[in-house]
Amino acid sequence: EAGVTQFPSHSVIEKGQTVTLRCDPISGHDNLYWYRRVMGKEIKFLLHFVKESKQDESGMPNNRFLAERTGGTYSTLKVQPAELEDSGVYFCASSQEFWTSNEQFFGPGTRLTVL
Amino acid sequence: AQTVTQSQPEMSVQEAETVTLSCTYDTSESDYYLFWYKQPPSRQMILVIRQEAYKQQNATENRFSVNFQKAAKSFSLKISDSQLGDAAMYFCAYRSAQGYNFNKFYFGSGTKLNVKP
Repeated sequence: EAGVTQFPSHSVIEKGQTVTLRCDPISGHDNLYWYRRVMGKEIKFLLHFVKESKQDESGMPNNRFLAERTGGTYSTLKVQPAELEDSGVYFCASSQEFWTSNEQFFGPGTRLTVL
Repeated sequence: AQTVTQSQPEMSVQEAETVTLSCTYDTSESDYYLFWYKQPPSRQMILVIRQEAYKQQNATENRFSVNFQKAAKSFSLKISDSQLGDAAMYFCAYRSAQGYNFNKFYFGSGTKLNVKP
């Protein structure tokens, strides 16, 4: 079974540009999560999808970040316009159910560098 | 909000020896889950071990075990007989068992473990 995949693995952009990150969850997982780790700090929750609906987007930093999950399959996270403080590693995770102790399965992350 | 603290940014261990990674957390909840995840270089995070807060018995998974001290809000990971493949970044994570926040994980800042041959 394929794991969670993310594309690209690394992106370098200039301040003010737009970047779109993609996440493909494990097939059949209705729950999809985005997290972010700024260099050397903790991994922080951004938002949670259940199928195509946003269950919780309390961690989204500001309105420059837009997440979508059309059709309840893959998800995209767009940053527009990017700022220097947006640099970090963006992780995607998926799970079957979220009301149990089940783990979330993580992708390898996308390293975003904003110059 | 819940916070998770990993006070050791980096640690080293000799192959075949034992190492303990520390994790403390702050919560007012009585029911929750704790996890240790491992992220090898340039690879995805994988679950190492999990602990339900209502269970007094410490979880074990082969060479990995935890020391869960609920009153002290401490959740350390012990790796016995360390192997080169254990070299990775280790993240401690907390998750509520109920309420509005139970969909999200709270992570620590990570501990980078080096294993010396």
